[in-house]
Formats: sequence, structure tokens, C-alpha cells
Amino acid sequence: AQSVAQPEDQVNVAEGNPLTVKCTYSVSGNPYLFWYVQYPNRGLQFLLKYITGDNLVKGSYGFEAEFNKSQTSFHLKKPSALVSDSALYFCAVRDDSGAGSYQLTFGKGTKLSVIP
Amino acid sequence: DTAVSQTPKYLVTQMGNDKSIKCEQNLGHDTMYWYKQDSKKFLKIMFSYNNKELIINETVPNRFSPKSPDKAHLNLHINSLELGDSAVYFCASSQGGLAGGYYEQYFGPGTRLTVT
Repeated sequence: AQSVAQPEDQVNVAEGNPLTVKCTYSVSGNPYLFWYVQYPNRGLQFLLKYITGDNLVKGSYGFEAEFNKSQTSFHLKKPSALVSDSALYFCAVRDDSGAGSYQLTFGKGTKLSVIP
Repeated sequence: DTAVSQTPKYLVTQMGNDKSIKCEQNLGHDTMYWYKQDSKKFLKIMFSYNNKELIINETVPNRFSPKSPDKAHLNLHINSLELGDSAVYFCASSQGGLAGGYYEQYFGPGTRLTVT
């Protein structure tokens, strides 16, 4: 079975400081990993994904994420946080072996608050 | 141009009623999904259709019935609504079907269903 964990319900960071939102995963095969962001009363928006290749993935709005196979992690990062980054962030995983019935499994979400 | 649209945006109804939510995507994708997001923001797949055929059907009461008249549309019909059905329902679409697990999903704005 595939699973994903976001250990922090909330992350607070000052504007201009670097931010990290943590994600760890578990799959039988190789992972396809995704980050999505949800603003209040909106649908989820795709930020970035890791499929294969370079462990550092760059995405929308200056976000990036680092895939670490040994630690089974895929943490989301941004060098300098903006107030407008405040939102709910979801990590998601899909097992390429089909062990997860090819479905995308989401973490419970991490609320990011950027303080002016 | 709206990529994935849902109607209605809000739906308030009484227990026991039957209601439908409609979803349309203009991205040319061949796979569409329904997700349920509960009050704690937990997101769970309900159904997935690829080229109008059901490929994922999670443990969902049979009061929920998806229907895909064509690749661009996936509707959700709910019979005998219960209080516990109150949630936000998201439609999503992507390329690739079972073999395309590395494609990101595009989400609609959501339908907030309130059952009284």
C-alpha cells in the first residue's frame, strides 16, 4: 500500500525567510511525487512533481522540492516566503508499480502561514 | 478559459434528497476523477474514469453513482443524501489513465455540499 505523511499540521514563517514543508512517503515500487497548493475556497493547484532524474525539482511560484530516496522524503522549499504563499499544501504520491491501484494518495495537508 | 469547471458551486439540500454535480474539462484529457474533501481538509479519491470507463472505484456507498457521457464530462449523482455526505467535492482531470501516473491532475473549483 502507498502512503504519504505530512508531519506538521501548520508551519509559520516570517516573510522573507526560507520555508520548508515536510513530506515523507511509502510505496512498494518507485514513487511519483507531487505537491499541490489550495487557497481558501479554491481547488487544488499543481506546483511541481518528481518522476525520475534530478533530485531537485523546480516548480511554480519559486517553489522547489528535493527528492531523497534514502529518507523517503520530498520536502517542499522556497528561499524567500511571501505573504501570498499562505495556503494549504498537499503532498501526494502514486506508486509506479500499481500497488496503490494507480490512485493518487494525498497527505493530510500542511497549513502555511507567512507572517508579515 | 476555465480548464475544469463544476456546477453548482454550492448545494444545500435536505436529507433523503437526490442531487447531481456536473463536471466538464476542456483540456483534452482522457482521465477524470471525483474526490471528497471532508471538514478536516482530508482529500480522498472516490472514482476515476478513463475514456468513459470506470478504472477506480474506492469504498464509496452505492448511493454515489458517477456517469461519464463523454471524455470531457464526469457527473456525480448522489441518492438519498445523508448528513455525512456534507463535504466539498472536487472534480479533476489528467492525461494518461492507468499508464500515465506521472501526469499531474487539474482540479475544478469544488462543490460545497451541505445536507441539512
